Amino acid sequence: LAKTTQPISMDSYEGQEVNITCSHNNIATNDYITWYQQFPSQGPRFIIQGYKTKVTNEVASLFIPADRKSSTLSLPRVSLSDTAVYYCLVGEGASGAGSYQLTFGKGTKLSVIP
Amino acid sequence: DSGVTQTPKHLITATGQRVTLRCSPRSGDLSVYWYQQSLDQGLQFLIQYYNGEERAKGNILERFSAQQFPDLHSELNLSSLELGDSALYFCASSAGDRGYQPQHFGDGTRLSIL
Repeated sequence: LAKTTQPISMDSYEGQEVNITCSHNNIATNDYITWYQQFPSQGPRFIIQGYKTKVTNEVASLFIPADRKSSTLSLPRVSLSDTAVYYCLVGEGASGAGSYQLTFGKGTKLSVIP
Repeated sequence: DSGVTQTPKHLITATGQRVTLRCSPRSGDLSVYWYQQSLDQGLQFLIQYYNGEERAKGNILERFSAQQFPDLHSELNLSSLELGDSALYFCASSAGDRGYQPQHFGDGTRLSIL
């Protein structure tokens, strides 16, 4: 079972780049890494997903080293509205019905300071 | 708006009781996932259904059960409720049957056991 580990909290000033790292030492060959953002009293929202190397979209970048045992979510120039909890999810490969797990980390609470 | 609808938003009941939580997935999505979020345990995957069939099972208690109906809505049944079952219950949906695919979350049902 791929367990994930993230820092509990991080602080950043507005306009700075923020990097949040997730460790997943037991990641399986066919697992993907997905990051979600969650605001209070709301469900998580998909940010970005990757398998290896680097993925970039309009809101974030995801860096995955060759061994895939960790991943780093990069948020460029954060604003106050980026204050939220960020979750790393490793999806275990399905080898048949009922045989896989989805493991969320406990999340990183990002506080953006003006 | 994720397109995923969960009802009710809040539920207050007593120990030993049984409740049913309902989820309507985003239009076109065939998979429904259920998660439990409590303060000390983070986001825990419970179970996934794909097109009416159980697809994967996580840390779901035997007192809990779920099903997905032909119209693709899903219900999570919680019975013999205990104080520790107090939590936010989220439903998510995705287009395919693989758990790593981007999931769209509802805003949850807050269950309080008195």
